[in-house]
Amino acid sequence: QSALTQPRSVSGSPGQSVTISCTGTSSDVGGYNYVSWYQQHPGKAPKLMIYDVSKRPSGVPDRFSGSKSGNTASLTISGLQAEDEADYYCCSFAGSYTLYVFGIGTKVTVL
Amino acid sequence: EVQVVESGGGLVQPGRSLRLSCTTSGFTFGDYAMSWFRQAPGKGLEWVGFVRSKHYGGTTEYAASVKGRFSISRDDSKSIAYLQMNSLKIEDTAVYYCARHNGYFFDYWGQGTLVTVSS
Repeated sequence: QSALTQPRSVSGSPGQSVTISCTGTSSDVGGYNYVSWYQQHPGKAPKLMIYDVSKRPSGVPDRFSGSKSGNTASLTISGLQAEDEADYYCCSFAGSYTLYVFGIGTKVTVL
Repeated sequence: EVQVVESGGGLVQPGRSLRLSCTTSGFTFGDYAMSWFRQAPGKGLEWVGFVRSKHYGGTTEYAASVKGRFSISRDDSKSIAYLQMNSLKIEDTAVYYCARHNGYFFDYWGQGTLVTVSS
């Protein structure tokens, strides 16, 4: 099972919006509404930002949103802030054999 | 407050074994599955495996990369999950994380413990 495809990096100025794509196949992203997104600052543990494609856990700012179309899921950060600079990973359930697959990760830089 | 703390990492020679612990508090441990992950230096996250709650039989699932070498268990009386790693290889070098497995996502993560496999 290959890793999900994410852009290596995206960047934006404070206040702008950025979108990170996460492309898989019909066996993972396209086959289930079980995509989650994790934020990881350097040297820190991952933090859940979005689950089940578009649901936001309590405490995550509403400028983080998720969506999915076909085999591609997306994470959008609106009103970019300095503290949003981090690595972001998508993860998808991939069926009863592979179970879970992660994306390669995207580094978000706030200019 | 939910807390998840990994321990047991260290330097180990290729071919040897190591057991990691994931100690939790702040939630009813027995109601949840627990997953393990790893992150090789400078690389992305990789799901390693998970143990279901006793309600779902306490059974386990593993990534192909570790199946047959790694095993996960749980002690609900102590709120601890374990990752037993056997026949370790140099490529198993990574920070190992555990997380509460909630549905099809992972909502509380520990800070990780570093495992270095080297002669």
